[in-house]
Amino acid sequence: GESVGLHLPTLSVQEGDNSIINCAYSNSASDYFIWYKQESGKGPQFIIDIRSNMDKRQGQRVTVLLNKTVKHLSLQIAATQPGDSAVYFCAETPGGSARQLTFGSGTQLTVLP
Amino acid sequence: DTAVSQTPKYLVTQMGNDKSIKCEQNLGHDTMYWYKQDSKKFLKIMFSYNNKELIINETVPNRFSPKSPDKAHLNLHINSLELGDSAVYFCASSRVGDTQYFGPGTRLTVL
Repeated sequence: GESVGLHLPTLSVQEGDNSIINCAYSNSASDYFIWYKQESGKGPQFIIDIRSNMDKRQGQRVTVLLNKTVKHLSLQIAATQPGDSAVYFCAETPGGSARQLTFGSGTQLTVLP
Repeated sequence: DTAVSQTPKYLVTQMGNDKSIKCEQNLGHDTMYWYKQDSKKFLKIMFSYNNKELIINETVPNRFSPKSPDKAHLNLHINSLELGDSAVYFCASSRVGDTQYFGPGTRLTVL
């Protein structure tokens, strides 16, 4: 079946470095993508989203890149801070609606001092 | 100020019991969801309600029954709890087709 997956289950970066978290999706009908951050003991928190008519979107310290040709999504975090340590999920949905999200398996980001 | 709240945060119970988890949102959203997160952090949607009507019902045992008394509440009732039901359950809400906002989760442990 269709699935959303991540290349790496864990990622460790030095504080201050940039982080890149990758996500592959297989549903070619997906046209809306979201990144969520989940800190320990908390619910997923919206970070940034992107629609398929864009290939890049920037937020505060975060950038999402979308490559529809290879069905790949990435989240870049600039100047990674200890508070960025969390599990990051990509989610995708077809039809331009966030109604039914399919989540990837998550990447644990650990920021080293 | 809490946007999406769930109670209880922790729930420990014996196999075979019936339990409920409550969810409330004060965001004025018209769509609410229940997700299950397993021990490997995999998140999967269980149900979605829009304006008190069920619109998504994934392959979930019929021991699980969502109940929506009004647009701001979506409770999850579970009958005859089994060991495999142990997980973290998240409620979420959104405007139709818009970003989903999640609650803090309820960790259910079935002994």
